[in-house]
Amino acid sequence: QSVLTQPPSVSGAPGQRVTISCTGSSSNIGAGYDVHWYQQLPGTAPKLLIYGNNNRPSGVPDRFSGSKSGTSASLAITGLQADDEADYYCQSYDSSLSGVVFGGGTKLTVL
Amino acid sequence: EVQLVESGGGLVQPGGSLRLSCAASGFTFSSYSMNWVRQAPGKGLEWVSYISSSPSTIYYADSVKGRFTISRDNAKNSLYLQMISLRDEDTAVYYCARDKGNTAKVACDIWGQGTMVTVSS
Repeated sequence: QSVLTQPPSVSGAPGQRVTISCTGSSSNIGAGYDVHWYQQLPGTAPKLLIYGNNNRPSGVPDRFSGSKSGTSASLAITGLQADDEADYYCQSYDSSLSGVVFGGGTKLTVL
Repeated sequence: EVQLVESGGGLVQPGGSLRLSCAASGFTFSSYSMNWVRQAPGKGLEWVSYISSSPSTIYYADSVKGRFTISRDNAKNSLYLQMISLRDEDTAVYYCARDKGNTAKVACDIWGQGTMVTVSS
Protein backbone atom coordinates (compact mmCIF):
# COMPACT_ATOMS: atom_id res chain seq x y z
CA GLN A 1 0.00 0.00 0.00
CA SER A 2 1.43 3.36 -1.06
CA VAL A 3 1.99 6.24 1.35
CA LEU A 4 0.35 8.59 -1.16
CA THR A 5 -3.10 7.51 -2.34
CA GLN A 6 -4.22 7.93 -5.94
CA PRO A 7 -7.30 6.59 -7.71
CA PRO A 8 -6.37 3.49 -9.74
CA SER A 9 -7.99 4.82 -12.88
CA VAL A 10 -9.69 7.84 -14.43
CA SER A 11 -11.13 8.35 -17.88
CA GLY A 12 -12.41 11.10 -20.11
CA ALA A 13 -13.38 11.84 -23.67
CA PRO A 14 -11.13 13.79 -26.02
CA GLY A 15 -11.30 17.50 -25.25
CA GLN A 16 -12.59 16.99 -21.72
CA ARG A 17 -10.93 17.85 -18.41
CA VAL A 18 -9.88 15.26 -15.87
CA THR A 19 -8.28 15.50 -12.46
CA ILE A 20 -6.16 13.01 -10.55
CA SER A 21 -5.96 13.30 -6.79
CA CYS A 22 -3.04 12.46 -4.52
CA THR A 23 -3.78 12.19 -0.82
CA GLY A 24 -1.05 12.11 1.79
CA SER A 25 -0.66 12.90 5.47
CA SER A 26 0.90 15.26 7.98
CA SER A 27 4.35 13.76 7.47
CA ASN A 28 4.51 14.39 3.74
CA ILE A 29 2.19 16.67 1.76
CA GLY A 30 0.64 18.10 4.92
CA ALA A 31 4.08 18.92 6.30
CA GLY A 32 4.61 21.32 3.43
CA TYR A 33 6.77 19.17 1.19
CA ASP A 34 6.35 19.75 -2.51
CA VAL A 35 4.41 17.39 -4.74
CA HIS A 36 5.67 16.35 -8.15
CA TRP A 37 3.90 14.52 -10.96
CA TYR A 38 5.19 12.10 -13.60
CA GLN A 39 3.73 10.70 -16.78
CA GLN A 40 4.71 7.19 -17.85
CA LEU A 41 3.76 6.08 -21.33
CA PRO A 42 3.63 2.31 -21.92
CA GLY A 43 7.08 0.74 -22.05
CA THR A 44 8.95 3.94 -21.31
CA ALA A 45 10.65 5.61 -18.35
CA PRO A 46 8.71 8.13 -16.27
CA LYS A 47 8.80 11.75 -17.45
CA LEU A 48 8.58 14.76 -15.14
CA LEU A 49 5.30 16.56 -15.75
CA ILE A 50 4.88 18.95 -12.80
CA TYR A 51 7.40 19.92 -10.15
CA GLY A 52 7.11 21.97 -7.00
CA ASN A 53 3.30 21.53 -6.88
CA ASN A 54 2.45 23.65 -9.91
CA ASN A 55 5.47 24.22 -12.16
CA ARG A 56 5.82 22.79 -15.66
CA PRO A 57 9.21 21.83 -17.10
CA SER A 58 10.05 23.28 -20.47
CA GLY A 59 8.16 21.46 -23.20
CA VAL A 60 5.20 20.33 -21.09
CA PRO A 61 1.97 21.81 -22.50
CA ASP A 62 -0.04 24.20 -20.33
CA ARG A 63 -2.93 21.73 -20.57
CA PHE A 64 -1.25 20.11 -17.55
CA SER A 65 -1.47 21.87 -14.19
CA GLY A 66 -0.96 21.01 -10.55
CA SER A 67 -2.30 22.24 -7.25
CA LYS A 68 -1.86 21.45 -3.59
CA SER A 69 -3.97 22.08 -0.50
CA GLY A 70 -3.57 20.67 2.98
CA THR A 71 -2.67 17.00 2.80
CA SER A 72 -3.69 16.58 -0.85
CA ALA A 73 -2.62 17.54 -4.33
CA SER A 74 -4.20 17.31 -7.75
CA LEU A 75 -3.14 17.05 -11.36
CA ALA A 76 -5.52 18.53 -13.92
CA ILE A 77 -5.42 17.79 -17.62
CA THR A 78 -7.56 19.88 -19.94
CA GLY A 79 -8.29 19.35 -23.61
CA LEU A 80 -7.68 15.60 -23.33
CA GLN A 81 -5.84 14.05 -26.24
CA ALA A 82 -5.39 10.41 -27.21
CA ASP A 83 -1.67 10.52 -26.48
CA ASP A 84 -2.35 11.60 -22.89
CA GLU A 85 -3.29 7.98 -22.25
CA ALA A 86 -0.66 6.90 -19.73
CA ASP A 87 0.02 6.17 -16.07
CA TYR A 88 0.44 9.19 -13.79
CA TYR A 89 2.29 9.20 -10.46
CA CYS A 90 2.57 11.75 -7.68
CA GLN A 91 5.68 12.00 -5.51
CA SER A 92 6.67 13.80 -2.33
CA TYR A 93 9.05 13.53 0.60
CA ASP A 94 8.10 11.93 3.91
CA SER A 95 9.81 13.10 7.11
CA SER A 96 8.73 10.05 9.14
CA LEU A 97 10.24 7.69 6.60
CA SER A 98 13.17 9.98 5.76
CA GLY A 99 12.68 9.25 2.12
CA VAL A 100 10.85 9.76 -1.12
CA VAL A 101 7.31 8.43 -1.49
CA PHE A 102 5.24 7.78 -4.60
CA GLY A 103 1.55 7.37 -5.13
CA GLY A 104 0.33 4.04 -6.45
CA GLY A 105 -0.28 5.48 -9.88
CA THR A 106 -3.39 6.33 -11.90
CA LYS A 107 -4.13 4.94 -15.32
CA LEU A 108 -5.72 7.53 -17.59
CA THR A 109 -7.91 6.19 -20.37
CA VAL A 110 -9.01 8.50 -23.17
CA LEU A 111 -12.36 7.19 -24.35
CA GLU B 1 22.68 15.77 -24.28
CA VAL B 2 21.79 15.11 -20.66
CA GLN B 3 21.64 11.35 -20.26
CA LEU B 4 21.58 8.52 -17.73
CA VAL B 5 22.34 4.97 -18.84
CA GLU B 6 21.84 2.03 -16.48
CA SER B 7 23.57 -1.32 -16.80
CA GLY B 8 24.22 -4.46 -14.79
CA GLY B 9 20.76 -6.01 -14.67
CA GLY B 10 20.13 -9.65 -15.33
CA LEU B 11 18.89 -12.95 -13.95
CA VAL B 12 20.04 -13.89 -10.46
CA GLN B 13 19.01 -16.62 -8.04
CA PRO B 14 17.32 -15.82 -4.74
CA GLY B 15 19.98 -14.94 -2.19
CA GLY B 16 22.35 -13.80 -4.91
CA SER B 17 23.98 -10.45 -5.53
CA LEU B 18 24.09 -7.92 -8.34
CA ARG B 19 25.66 -4.50 -8.88
CA LEU B 20 23.87 -1.93 -10.97
CA SER B 21 25.62 1.03 -12.56
CA CYS B 22 24.32 4.31 -13.96
CA ALA B 23 26.54 6.38 -16.25
CA ALA B 24 25.76 10.08 -16.35
CA SER B 25 26.67 12.47 -19.15
CA GLY B 26 25.86 15.95 -20.37
CA PHE B 27 25.74 17.64 -16.95
CA THR B 28 27.89 18.27 -13.86
CA PHE B 29 27.17 14.98 -12.08
CA SER B 30 28.82 16.07 -8.82
CA SER B 31 26.28 18.88 -8.35
CA TYR B 32 23.18 16.71 -8.14
CA SER B 33 21.74 14.17 -5.75
CA MET B 34 20.61 10.90 -7.31
CA ASN B 35 18.09 8.15 -6.74
CA TRP B 36 17.32 4.57 -7.62
CA VAL B 37 13.64 3.89 -8.32
CA ARG B 38 12.24 0.49 -9.28
CA GLN B 39 9.09 -0.82 -10.92
CA ALA B 40 7.98 -4.42 -10.56
CA PRO B 41 6.24 -5.92 -13.61
CA GLY B 42 2.78 -4.41 -13.94
CA LYS B 43 3.19 -2.39 -10.74
CA GLY B 44 3.82 1.23 -9.78
CA LEU B 45 6.98 3.15 -9.04
CA GLU B 46 8.83 2.40 -5.79
CA TRP B 47 11.63 4.62 -4.54
CA VAL B 48 14.65 2.55 -3.46
CA SER B 49 17.49 4.83 -2.37
CA TYR B 50 18.87 8.38 -2.39
CA ILE B 51 22.39 9.75 -2.26
CA SER B 52 23.38 13.40 -1.97
CA SER B 53 25.97 14.98 -4.22
CA SER B 54 28.90 14.91 -1.74
CA PRO B 55 27.79 11.99 -0.78
CA SER B 56 27.18 12.81 2.88
CA THR B 57 23.49 11.84 3.03
CA ILE B 58 22.04 8.46 2.10
CA TYR B 59 18.51 7.13 2.52
CA TYR B 60 16.97 3.72 1.85
CA ALA B 61 13.45 2.38 1.60
CA ASP B 62 12.66 0.00 4.45
CA SER B 63 12.18 -2.82 1.92
CA VAL B 64 15.87 -2.77 0.95
CA LYS B 65 17.58 -1.43 4.08
CA GLY B 66 20.49 -3.65 5.11
CA ARG B 67 20.58 -5.42 1.74
CA PHE B 68 21.21 -2.65 -0.79
CA THR B 69 24.03 -0.09 -0.79
CA ILE B 70 24.00 3.06 -2.90
CA SER B 71 27.24 4.78 -3.83
CA ARG B 72 28.65 7.18 -6.39
CA ASP B 73 31.96 8.07 -7.97
CA ASN B 74 31.85 11.71 -9.00
CA ALA B 75 35.19 11.40 -10.83
CA LYS B 76 33.65 8.71 -13.04
CA ASN B 77 30.21 10.35 -13.30
CA SER B 78 28.69 7.13 -12.08
CA LEU B 79 26.04 5.95 -9.63
CA TYR B 80 25.89 2.42 -8.26
CA LEU B 81 23.54 0.09 -6.41
CA GLN B 82 25.03 -2.98 -4.77
CA MET B 83 22.29 -5.51 -4.07
CA ILE B 84 22.77 -8.59 -1.88
CA SER B 85 20.43 -11.22 -0.43
CA LEU B 86 18.12 -10.70 -3.38
CA ARG B 87 14.51 -11.86 -3.09
CA ASP B 88 11.81 -12.67 -5.61
CA GLU B 89 10.11 -9.39 -4.75
CA ASP B 90 13.19 -7.43 -5.88
CA THR B 91 12.36 -8.37 -9.48
CA ALA B 92 11.82 -5.06 -11.25
CA VAL B 93 13.08 -2.54 -13.74
CA TYR B 94 15.56 -0.33 -11.89
CA TYR B 95 15.80 3.31 -12.93
CA CYS B 96 18.41 5.84 -11.90
CA ALA B 97 17.00 9.34 -11.65
CA ARG B 98 18.57 12.76 -11.15
CA ASP B 99 17.16 15.24 -8.66
CA LYS B 100 16.50 18.86 -9.71
CA GLY B 101 19.08 19.90 -7.16
CA ASN B 102 20.83 18.41 -4.16
CA THR B 103 17.98 17.34 -1.89
CA ALA B 104 15.52 14.44 -1.73
CA LYS B 105 12.66 16.94 -1.55
CA VAL B 106 12.79 18.00 -5.19
CA ALA B 107 11.58 16.29 -8.32
CA CYS B 108 13.51 13.80 -10.42
CA ASP B 109 13.94 15.59 -13.72
CA ILE B 110 16.12 13.13 -15.64
CA TRP B 111 15.55 9.36 -15.80
CA GLY B 112 17.49 6.56 -17.38
CA GLN B 113 15.90 3.92 -19.58
CA GLY B 114 16.06 1.31 -16.81
CA THR B 115 17.72 -2.06 -16.36
CA MET B 116 15.78 -5.24 -15.63
CA VAL B 117 16.62 -7.36 -12.59
CA THR B 118 15.00 -10.78 -12.39
CA VAL B 119 15.34 -12.82 -9.22
CA SER B 120 14.34 -16.40 -9.89
CA SER B 121 15.58 -19.93 -9.43
